[in-house]
Amino acid sequence: AAGVIQSPRHLIKEKRETATLKCYPIPRHDTVYWYQQGPGQDPQFLISFYEKMQSDKGSIPDRFSAQQFSDYHSELNMSSLELGDSALYFCASSFLVSGGLEKDEQYFGPGTRLTVT
Amino acid sequence: GQSLEQPSEVTAVEGAIVQINCTYQTSGFYGLSWYQQHDGGAPTFLSYNALDGLEETGRFSSFLSRSDSYGYLLLQELQMKDSASYFCAVREKDENQGGKLIFGQGTELSVKP
Repeated sequence: AAGVIQSPRHLIKEKRETATLKCYPIPRHDTVYWYQQGPGQDPQFLISFYEKMQSDKGSIPDRFSAQQFSDYHSELNMSSLELGDSALYFCASSFLVSGGLEKDEQYFGPGTRLTVT
Repeated sequence: GQSLEQPSEVTAVEGAIVQINCTYQTSGFYGLSWYQQHDGGAPTFLSYNALDGLEETGRFSSFLSRSDSYGYLLLQELQMKDSASYFCAVREKDENQGGKLIFGQGTELSVKP
């Protein structure tokens, strides 16, 4: 079965540079989420898109932006990189469930490990 | 604000049973999920409880008590491969009906021979 694809898997950047992370959700999934996970930390929600529209926003720095394209892939753009941005960045996709009883399963990609030096 | 609390680490032996507890405080609540994450890997979904009671999936079971804002993950017949971090996560109810997950800090389970 198709899974969430993320690219690149590893990325090394210097401070103040920019980075673009890409995510290809599972076909027919309508919602994409971005999470940031620092070493030894839990995943922190950054931003989500439902049907190509931003649906929710979490602790995403103003230096970061994201969008979802017509083919449903999503990109996370990060500018003016800081050492503290070094983390694993996960993209997840799912069918949006509007109620509360449906199984709420998000499928996570393998992540992009960003190292800022 | 939202917060979830779970033990930071648990150690058990192969074949044993272990329970990982999770308490939560959220402004809105749809349900409680559990995710497993091996070191350096992606979180993978284990279970979801929207209603009170026990959900069983093979060796793993999950329980929820909405009145107590409490849930747990029960792992039976532990195997070495179960050594991983386990996160409880709350799907928040918000006006956009978004599905963002708020994760707990994670419980690192070590299974010893």
